[in-house]
Amino acid sequence: DTAVSQTPKYLVTQMGNDKSIKCEQNLGHDTMYWYKQDSKKFLKIMFSYNNKELIINETVPNRFSPKSPDKAHLNLHINSLELGDSAVYFCASSQVGDSGNTIYFGEGSWLTVV
Amino acid sequence: AQSVSQHNHHVILSEAASLELGCNYSYGGTVNLFWYVQYPGQHLQLLLKYFSGDPLVKGIKGFEAEFIKSKFSFNLRKPSVQWSDTAEYFCALDRGSTLGRLYFGRGTQLTVWP
Repeated sequence: DTAVSQTPKYLVTQMGNDKSIKCEQNLGHDTMYWYKQDSKKFLKIMFSYNNKELIINETVPNRFSPKSPDKAHLNLHINSLELGDSAVYFCASSQVGDSGNTIYFGEGSWLTVV
Repeated sequence: AQSVSQHNHHVILSEAASLELGCNYSYGGTVNLFWYVQYPGQHLQLLLKYFSGDPLVKGIKGFEAEFIKSKFSFNLRKPSVQWSDTAEYFCALDRGSTLGRLYFGRGTQLTVWP
């Protein structure tokens, strides 16, 4: 079973649309993240939730809204998509307090805005 | 502020050659260090990690890395690469806090010719 799973894996959509990416982890972790990987493969954190509470919110446009219904799920909703939003979005999870806080990544969601 | 530098953007080797990928960081406090690998079209997988103790850490697939605190370095090594090692390699650090925010380097693309 995949530890961190996200859907959809591929998403092609037009500018101005609203889309969501879902993420679920079955590792029992209490912290979940969204990372963005741009076209140059640079990875940067967007959000972090700990027990459903927002902990980290990097300078991300407010068109991006994470939602955590429970500690096993962290969904990412994007409004009014722009061309620059095209990227790979990785969900991840970890257990706070775990030795070294190892982060486990999902398989990524390839978003293309046309 | 902390940062992670990977000076080798693209490394090309023949099979059986030895590998060393450089990683330097700038942060004066306690750090946890990681190497992740991303095979083409796939998600990030943890190769190895350093939290404390022996500065020479061994990971999966024959990789190892050495933490040299005085040089702020955490170089990745493998004595003999294989074609299947072709991938993007990312060095990352966590500031030792419990929030698990990873700061990534820009990545090094390794291409191994058979």
